[in-house]
Amino acid sequence: SQQGEEDPQALSIQEGENATMNCSYKTSINNLQWYRQNSGRGLVHLILIRSNEREKHSGRLRVTLDTSKKSSSLLITASRAADTASYFCATPNRDDKIIFGKGTRLHILP
Amino acid sequence: EAGVVQSPRYKIIEKKQPVAFWCNPISGHNTLYWYRQNLGQGPELLIRYENEEAVDDSQLPKDRFSAERLKGVDSTLKIQPAELGDSAVYLCASSFDRNTEAFFGQGTRLTVV
Repeated sequence: SQQGEEDPQALSIQEGENATMNCSYKTSINNLQWYRQNSGRGLVHLILIRSNEREKHSGRLRVTLDTSKKSSSLLITASRAADTASYFCATPNRDDKIIFGKGTRLHILP
Repeated sequence: EAGVVQSPRYKIIEKKQPVAFWCNPISGHNTLYWYRQNLGQGPELLIRYENEEAVDDSQLPKDRFSAERLKGVDSTLKIQPAELGDSAVYLCASSFDRNTEAFFGQGTRLTVV
């Protein structure tokens, strides 16, 4: 069953601009994770944010979590060509299964 | 530190043939996952192990899929017999426990012809 769902499904921005993608989920969670997947490659873990955290930073990445709205956002600042990838949020459901959304396909235009 | 290692990277087989995938998780990681990812989709959990115990295999098609994690370290995922619809990337991941971040291998891309 779908737990996390990313929005938008696809996003194209100019290099240097900021990219924001969102994730909504259905049930209470104790953490939420964001992953990146370059074409044809494995998933790379970006950030894990716990339910008692509201914001977390890692380099050019900023993740927020709003448990009242059951949503999270991933902001990539000063985007680069290498940021072109699919981005997934992953959340545990009631049975502790880590469920991935369908992802946001981000394309950075030169 | 070595990451999650999967082999083979690619496999092409004819339908009805058996196939096996191997995963070596990060040392010390107790939780191991097998996911299947179809093109344009997110990974779908097939099975999760806590040490050598399969604690969640509700999504594993048990008529043709089997998995094992002997001694709570390496794991194998087997499909017998393979069907055309099994073509996908099979991803293995491991984590210290179910509440910490999971690290993924490069995956095995299976093509059934």
